[in-house]
This record gives sequence, structure tokens and C-alpha cells, in this order.
Amino acid sequence: AQTVTQSQPEMSVQEAETVTLSCTYDTSESDYYLFWYKQPPSRQMILVIRQEAYKQQNATENRFSVNFQKAAKSFSLKISDSQLGDAAMYFCAYRSNSGGSNYKLTFGKGTLLTVNP
Amino acid sequence: NAGVTQTPKFQVLKTGQSMTLQCAQDMNHNSMYWYRQDPGMGLRLIYYSASEGTTDKGEVPNGYNVSRLNKREFSLRLESAAPSQTSVYFCASAPKGFSYEQYFGPGTRLTVT
Repeated sequence: AQTVTQSQPEMSVQEAETVTLSCTYDTSESDYYLFWYKQPPSRQMILVIRQEAYKQQNATENRFSVNFQKAAKSFSLKISDSQLGDAAMYFCAYRSNSGGSNYKLTFGKGTLLTVNP
Repeated sequence: NAGVTQTPKFQVLKTGQSMTLQCAQDMNHNSMYWYRQDPGMGLRLIYYSASEGTTDKGEVPNGYNVSRLNKREFSLRLESAAPSQTSVYFCASAPKGFSYEQYFGPGTRLTVT
């Protein structure tokens, strides 16, 4: 079974600075997706960024980018120019592309990000 | 287009009571999922439905039942609620195919006393 580990329960960053959230995963598969979801105090789960394992290029969405190291099974999220609205719980998630998995998500335990003004 | 909706948003039950959490999506998605979120545990899959007419157990199915009523609706039932089922419950849906992410509802906060 796949596992996802987020080793930082809490992180803090100054507004306008850069912060990196860590995620490692364990799998024997070669074809999968990785996701970062954001959960603000409203509780809504919001997709931040996704990465397909077969793509070597790291995904980028505006101020959010990932460092995907497939051999090391590492998938970190970098937030540049942090804003107060980035304060939230961030979850890393794994999804197999095997049809037999029915595309279920496996989540890490989350990292609570605080942004200080 | 409302996306994924869940009712109720909040619920308090006494131990032993039963209730059904409702979930509906208007995006014509094939797959639907129920998760629970507990502090320090992330989201854990309870049950899922890969398509209309099928349901399967996830990681933590004990104490729950589900019904995929039609393509739009996927309900989660607690037959005899226990304090250990105090949690926030999320429903999610996804289109068929591996290139799509799951879309989440707003969650239901359930407290069992």
C-alpha cells in the first residue's frame, strides 16, 4: 500500500518570503499522480498543483511550484512571495494511475502553514 | 453549476443514533468518494463508488454503509453512531480517467456525544 509522509506538522513564513513544504511517499508503481491540496479555515479542499510521475518537468502554478524527485520519492511544494491568504493546512496526496486502484487518493497528515505579516 | 454539495453542514448525534449524510454532484462525474478528516490524521477514505451501481470499502469502512443512489448522489449512513465517529466528513467526485483530480464538497462536521 502507498503511504504519504509530511514530516512538518507546522511551518511559518514571513509575508513576501518563500517557504517549502516537504512530502515523501512510498510506492512500487511507476505511473501515478501527486497533488498538493490547500485547506483554509473555511474547510474547503482546494487543489493547488498536480504532477504526473512521467513528466520530468516540475509543475508550476503562479507562485506555487514543486520539486519532484522521482527516484527519491520526494514531492515538495514551494510557495514564493507568500501572502496572508496562503495560510492554511496543506495536504500532499498520491494517486495511482492503475485502473484497479479506482484512482483513490492517499493523503499525508498535513502541514499547517502560518503566514506572519 | 454547484459542484459537490453536502448536507447537513453540522450535526450533533447521541451515541447509538443513526443518520445519513447526503452528497450530490452536478458535474456528471463517474466516481464518488467519502473521506473522514481527524486532527493529525489527514483524510482517510471510508468508501468509494467507481461508477453508478458499484461501491467498495476504503481504508476505514467499519461502522458505515453507503448507497450510490444514482450517478449524482452518494450517501453515507451511520447505523449506530459512536463517539469515535466524531469527525469532519468530505464527499468528493471525479470524472472517469486518470488525468483528473477529485473535487471536494464543503464537508460535514459531525459530533457524537
